[in-house]
Amino acid sequence: GENVEQHPSTLSVQEGDSAVIKCTYSDSASNYFPWYKQELGKRPQLIIDIRSNVGEKKDQRIAVTLNKTAKHFSLHITETQPEDSAVYFCAASNEYSSASKIIFGSGTRLSIRP
Amino acid sequence: DAGVIQSPRHEVTEMGQEVTLRCKPISGHDYLFWYRQTMMRGLELLIYFNNNVPIDDSGMPEDRFSAKMPNASFSTLKIQPSEPRDSAVYFCASSPGQGGGETQYFGPGTRLLVL
Repeated sequence: GENVEQHPSTLSVQEGDSAVIKCTYSDSASNYFPWYKQELGKRPQLIIDIRSNVGEKKDQRIAVTLNKTAKHFSLHITETQPEDSAVYFCAASNEYSSASKIIFGSGTRLSIRP
Repeated sequence: DAGVIQSPRHEVTEMGQEVTLRCKPISGHDYLFWYRQTMMRGLELLIYFNNNVPIDDSGMPEDRFSAKMPNASFSTLKIQPSEPRDSAVYFCASSPGQGGGETQYFGPGTRLLVL
């Protein structure tokens, strides 16, 4: 089955700097890679996703990149702000399989220093 | 839409007691997922349903855990008997259409403490 590894487990960056979180996956059949953000005491919420037919996707200060050959994908947050402080989860699944479940990484706790 | 609804939001119980967690998915969503979140183990998928039918329960920790979905608008996760190591936040999530490539919408979670 699919295995998703996420690094680092904790990340602290100065406000205004960039943050990068990296994930690797094991199942070459995976083709859907969402990222979820979980603020303290709140529920996880989707912030961005990428499918295997594209290598990069951007939404304002957030971007995701995907390298299918190497089986890794990354989340990039630029110009970080205090509200970016949260736990971020990457995930992988096969969107064409009705029986495919989304496998989550272990999470990265991002702290933004003022 | 009110989103995914879970109850109770908090539950404190004593070891050995039965615990029932409830979930109402978003109307029209075909998939329902139960997750458990702890500091040590992160976010774990326990079981998921498609059109009320359990598809994969390989994440259910042991026989003390059971889940049902009697209809499209209601699911329960039951722990009997509960143990202190079951203390965690339990999330229910639902998604439309194909489970593999659709956004999962999480409920607010139930924070369970077993003493």
